[in-house]
Amino acid sequence: QKEVEQNSGPLSVPEGAIASLNCTYSDRGSQSFFWYRQYSGKSPELIMFIYSNGDKEDGRFTAQLNKASQYVSLLIRDSQPSDSATYLCAVRKYGNKLVFGAGTILRVKS
Amino acid sequence: SAVISQKPSRDICQRGTSLTIQCQVDSQVTMMFWYRQQPGQSLTLIATANQGSEATYESGFVIDKFPISRPNLTFSTLTVSNMSPEDSSIYLCSVEDWNSSYEQYFGPGTRLTVT
Repeated sequence: QKEVEQNSGPLSVPEGAIASLNCTYSDRGSQSFFWYRQYSGKSPELIMFIYSNGDKEDGRFTAQLNKASQYVSLLIRDSQPSDSATYLCAVRKYGNKLVFGAGTILRVKS
Repeated sequence: SAVISQKPSRDICQRGTSLTIQCQVDSQVTMMFWYRQQPGQSLTLIATANQGSEATYESGFVIDKFPISRPNLTFSTLTVSNMSPEDSSIYLCSVEDWNSSYEQYFGPGTRLTVT
């Protein structure tokens, strides 16, 4: 079992819709979780992080964490074609290192 | 967030040679890390660069193959030694400053092709 699992996609949504990206993790002791966006040929860009159960909102993005279910998600409201990218979920481990999932490809169709 | 630069941005190297990648940050940071992203794959941590001491390597990565230096709080190097085509990857440094909510940011990456 991988430490961090994501559906590779691609996830296709129409412009203006809500995109829902999901991630599960195996280490129940994990404390903080990160979402990165990576455009093709570019380095990962931090979108947001979350460490408390519940929702955390930042603009069009909402991160949701459920530690009991070991599940973290990212919702993107009013999806735009510019949101088309690979979204990486990462879990912080001991020593502040991040373990990444394989990423989900998101395609927003205009 | 800190501004991170890497040199070179890309290189094509012959097998058996070595390449040193530099990572420079515009401000002092607590932590620096080196990751590898193989074609079509996600990121894998190579090592944590420790200021003034030996780097901490992850399972599967060794100092002889990936020597790392971190002489101060704004600079680190990663050397890829005795390269083979399997080393063709994007190498990324990342930084984290404990004064910035433990957020970790990535440099632009170095795209390495080994022929």
